[in-house]
Amino acid sequence: EVQLVESGGGLVQPGGSLTLSCAASEFTYRAYYMSWVRQAPGKGLEWVAKINEDGSQKYSVDSVKGRFTISRDNAMDSLYLQMNNLRAEDTAVYYCARVGSTSGWAPDYWGRGTLVSVSS
Amino acid sequence: QSALTQPASVSGSPGQPITISCTGTSSDVGGYNYVSWYQQHPGKAPKLMIYKVSNRPSGVSDRFSGSKSGNTASLTISGLQAEDEADYYCSSHTSSSLFVFGTGTKVTVL
Repeated sequence: EVQLVESGGGLVQPGGSLTLSCAASEFTYRAYYMSWVRQAPGKGLEWVAKINEDGSQKYSVDSVKGRFTISRDNAMDSLYLQMNNLRAEDTAVYYCARVGSTSGWAPDYWGRGTLVSVSS
Repeated sequence: QSALTQPASVSGSPGQPITISCTGTSSDVGGYNYVSWYQQHPGKAPKLMIYKVSNRPSGVSDRFSGSKSGNTASLTISGLQAEDEADYYCSSHTSSSLFVFGTGTKVTVL
């Protein structure tokens, strides 16, 4: 069974930085796009960013451009999200998700999420 | 990148069918057959229920079906059951290779 486990969430002050990690297992990690999706408390899902199989192509939503960077380490089967200049509106549960061409580029497996709280 | 539009809530009695709509534009829903649907129970991660408009992943009940006409996609749950009570989100691939979710629909089983 595909496993995705996020870590690195926590409380950070506005303007601060945080790096999220996602450990993948039970599938051929280097063969898949990967994404980050977030969900603010009591709100809907928001797609944040995605990265292609070898890390050469990255895409992100406008609201995080210039502040968040998605990256991956295929040797470690790991995905990362470097978040800088954090704002209160970035407070959310952040999910790591696998993206497959067979599922029409939709995230098909998700981790349980890690909570990021931005507050002074 | 505006969110796709869904009704805030839909309800139905056990055994009845319900349909959730998802309206986008020609740059997302209408432009690609890459619409997917997710079910999310409180405190849980989303679960993929439908992909590529009408395909069900292995293990998803055949009571769930998807369709699309123009810029609007739909999810139908036939034979509503208590365990179907959850939030449902549509999503779509977009131009520029981005991705967008719907606003979400709370399904209540009466």
